[in-house]
Amino acid sequence: SQTIHQWPATLVQPVGSPLSLECTVEGTSNPNLYWYRQAAGRGLQLLFYSVGIGQISSEVPQNLSASRPQDRQFILSSKKLLLSDSGFYLCAWSAGTAETQYFGPGTRLLVL
Amino acid sequence: AQKVTQAQTEISVVEKEDVTLDCVYETRDTTYYLFWYKQPPSGELVFLIRRNSFDEQNEISGRYSWNFQKSTSSFNFTITASQVVDSAVYFCALSEGWDSGYSTLTFGKGTMLLVSP
Repeated sequence: SQTIHQWPATLVQPVGSPLSLECTVEGTSNPNLYWYRQAAGRGLQLLFYSVGIGQISSEVPQNLSASRPQDRQFILSSKKLLLSDSGFYLCAWSAGTAETQYFGPGTRLLVL
Repeated sequence: AQKVTQAQTEISVVEKEDVTLDCVYETRDTTYYLFWYKQPPSGELVFLIRRNSFDEQNEISGRYSWNFQKSTSSFNFTITASQVVDSAVYFCALSEGWDSGYSTLTFGKGTMLLVSP
C-alpha cells in the first residue's frame, strides 16, 4: 500500500531564516505531488504541484519554492521566511491528474 | 465567487443525533469530480468519497451517506447516529477543468463538527 511521509512534524523558525520541508511517497511510481498550505481559518491553498521529476507548477506567487529531485520526493523551500509563512503545510499525492489526492500528516510551521 | 461553499462554519450536536453537512459548488464544466475529506484534530486530511459529475446516485457507507444533486449543485454529507469520534473539520472539494485538459482541486473552507457525549 502507499504511504506518504512529511517531516519535520513541527518547526519553529525565526523570520528571515531558510526553510526546507520534505515529503516522500512510498509504494507507487510517478505520482503527482502537491503542496498545500492551511492558514488560520482552515482553508487549503494549493501552492505547487508536480507531474514528474523536475516539473514544478506554481499556483500562487510567493516567498516559497518547490523542487522534485526524485520521483517520490517533493521539497518545499524558502530562502527567507516571513511571518505570513506560518501555517500548516500538507503534502499530497495522486496516481494521476484524474485521481484522488491522498494527504500526508502535515508540518506545522511557526515563524516568529 | 467561491467555487465551493460550505455555509456552515461550525455545527454542534449531541451523540446519536444525525447531522448533515452542506456543500454547494459552482462550475461551468460538464465533467468534474466532488470530494469529501475529514480533518481530525491531528491535522491529516482523510479521504472519504469521490464522485464524478455523471453519477448522481446517492451513496451510503456505514453511518455516512452522500446526496449529490446536480440540479441544485449540491453534494451534501450526512452522518447518522453521530459519535464523538466524528468530531473533526470536514472539507468538500471540487476538481474541474477536465474539459480543457487541466484540472485543479478547490476546497471549501470547511465545517467544524463537534459531537458531544
